[in-house]
Amino acid sequence: AQTVTQSQPEMSVQEAETVTLSCTYDTSESDYYLFWYKQPPSRQMILVIRQEAYKQQNATENRFSVNFQKAAKSFSLKISDSQLGDAAMYFCAYRGGADGLTFGKGTHLIIQP
Amino acid sequence: DTGVSQDPRHKITKRGQNVTFRCDPISEHNRLYWYRQTLGQGPEFLTYFQNEAQLEKSRLLSDRFSAERPKGSFSTLEIQRTEQGDSAMYLCASSAGGGGSYEQYFGPGTRLTVT
Repeated sequence: AQTVTQSQPEMSVQEAETVTLSCTYDTSESDYYLFWYKQPPSRQMILVIRQEAYKQQNATENRFSVNFQKAAKSFSLKISDSQLGDAAMYFCAYRGGADGLTFGKGTHLIIQP
Repeated sequence: DTGVSQDPRHKITKRGQNVTFRCDPISEHNRLYWYRQTLGQGPEFLTYFQNEAQLEKSRLLSDRFSAERPKGSFSTLEIQRTEQGDSAMYLCASSAGGGGSYEQYFGPGTRLTVT
């Protein structure tokens, strides 16, 4: 079975600075997708960024980028120029051959003004 | 596109009672997923539908849990004989297709409290 591990329960960053959230995963599959989801307080989960395992190029979406290290099974999220609206729970998720997503436990991101 | 909606948003019930939650997916989405999220954890996949067919149900937590999507549109998740351990957020998501290239859009969730 696949597992996703987020080792940072909470991270804090000053507004306008850069923060990196860590994620590692375990799988025996060769074809899969990795995701970062954001869950603001009392609001629904939204997709931040997606990475296809067969693509070597790291995905980027505006201020959000990933560092995907397939051999190390590592998938970190970098948020540049942090904004107050970035404060949320961030979940790393895996999807392989099975249809459901496998999530990590999440990282609570705090933005200090 | 009004997004995925769930009803009710909150449900308080007594142990032993049955509860039913409803999920309305984005209208053109043929896939619908149910997840459970307990405090301090990430969502846990329970089951999913493609149209009206339930393609995965081995991950349902016990035989007290069941789900339906009778006409391939909205879905219901029922928990029979609720236990205190069932207290959690129940999330629904939908997507336009299978595979990781299709984004799963999540609803706001139904928070269940079993007293």
